[in-house]
Amino acid sequence: RKEVEQDPGPFNVPEGATVAFNCTYSNSASQSFFWYRQDCRKEPKLLMSVYSSGNEDGRFTAQLNRASQYISLLIRDSKLSDSATYLCVVRGGTGFQKLVFGTGTRLLVSP
Amino acid sequence: GAVVSQHPSWVICKSGTSVKIECRSLDFQATTMFWYRQFPKQSLMLMATSNEGSKATYEQGVEKDKFLINHASLTLSTLTVTSAHPEDSSFYICSARDRASGTSTDTQYFGPGTRLTVL
Repeated sequence: RKEVEQDPGPFNVPEGATVAFNCTYSNSASQSFFWYRQDCRKEPKLLMSVYSSGNEDGRFTAQLNRASQYISLLIRDSKLSDSATYLCVVRGGTGFQKLVFGTGTRLLVSP
Repeated sequence: GAVVSQHPSWVICKSGTSVKIECRSLDFQATTMFWYRQFPKQSLMLMATSNEGSKATYEQGVEKDKFLINHASLTLSTLTVTSAHPEDSSFYICSARDRASGTSTDTQYFGPGTRLTVL
């Protein structure tokens, strides 16, 4: 089983739509969780960290469910510029010093 | 914000040649740098963790004699792909952890990546 699993998509949504991505992780002892965004042929960029209480940054809301080992990202009022691949990332590995990346979920926002 | 550069941004080489990729932290000191590889439509896979002044730690399945890592200073780490073959064609990305952040990986900055194509 992969340490971090995501639905690869693609998710095709119109501008203004609300879209949600899910991610599951296998190591129940994992402590830190993140969502990164990666544009085609570019490096990943940190979108937001995910906290146990849930957190919001503008149109983006992240949730963590430790009991289910499940992380989500909600994007409201989608923009064309939101089109990208969203990577679920967990701090894992021996000693929890490494970032473990999911394969990413591709989002395509159309006019 | 902190900037990490990589050079070259892309390289095409013949099979059997060696290719060196540089990763530099431009405005901070990085005691630890990470090297990742990403094949098309796949996730970033950590290849090795590079610590300044000591030997790199390689992930399982990554050949240390093929992927030579040197982290000689607090701002530079290099990855050399020796005797490259077409199956080594990939997107190589480094990241650097700000020394000031201690052991936290929350402040890990990524370079723009190097696209390697081996003919």
